[in-house]
Amino acid sequence: QLQLQQSGPGLVKPSQTLSLTCAISGDSVSSNIAAWNWFRQSPSRGLEWLGRTYYRSKWYNDYAVSVKSRIAINPDTSKNQFSLHLSSVTPEDTAVYYCTRGHRHQYFDLWGRGTLVTVSS
Amino acid sequence: DILMTQSPLSLPVTPGEPASISCRSGRTLLGCDGYNCLSWYLQKPGHSPQLLIYWGSNRASGVPDRFSGSGSGTDFTLTISRVEAEDVGVYYCMQALQTPYTFGQGTKLEIK
Repeated sequence: QLQLQQSGPGLVKPSQTLSLTCAISGDSVSSNIAAWNWFRQSPSRGLEWLGRTYYRSKWYNDYAVSVKSRIAINPDTSKNQFSLHLSSVTPEDTAVYYCTRGHRHQYFDLWGRGTLVTVSS
Repeated sequence: DILMTQSPLSLPVTPGEPASISCRSGRTLLGCDGYNCLSWYLQKPGHSPQLLIYWGSNRASGVPDRFSGSGSGTDFTLTISRVEAEDVGVYYCMQALQTPYTFGQGTKLEIK
């Protein structure tokens, strides 16, 4: 069954690292067509793209400038999943985080169910 | 970043009536293998966004044919021919011409 299963903590303390994982069923993280993205959504910022990882004979990553110094998105071929790591979080990073599959970087046809992450002490 | 502007932001509709949402981009979105890099998503209450339309006018798998997309370049429209109760939620347009991918503000459709 084609789906993305998200996991990770819903509460992170300020200055710590937010880490989420997205397990892929029905496709491969090493696909030459798909790209694996993270978005987030908050009332103040709306829907915001954070970054992506994808394989085209080698691995590539792209990140939004707004988080570039703090973010890492890593594929894990052994578990067919990918992860998001966002360091030095502040309350402004509180949001619902979504993992998605991008088709040839052109549209997003598969979304995880979302994880509400609250940054608070 | 490419600015995406939607209108209206709120859309009350009587069931069975048509509805249209406009989306305008800050630059032309032609560029996805000859297609427009414009997609539409519906986010139902409490759910993730779901793909409705890609390349400006192609319905995604499983999307009812009452949904249609039109337009090219910088101006796009999502049309629902006959609104049903299950269509309530927030509709977003999104550009994928370049990163960062950007969304419109969202249009909240509600049933009168």
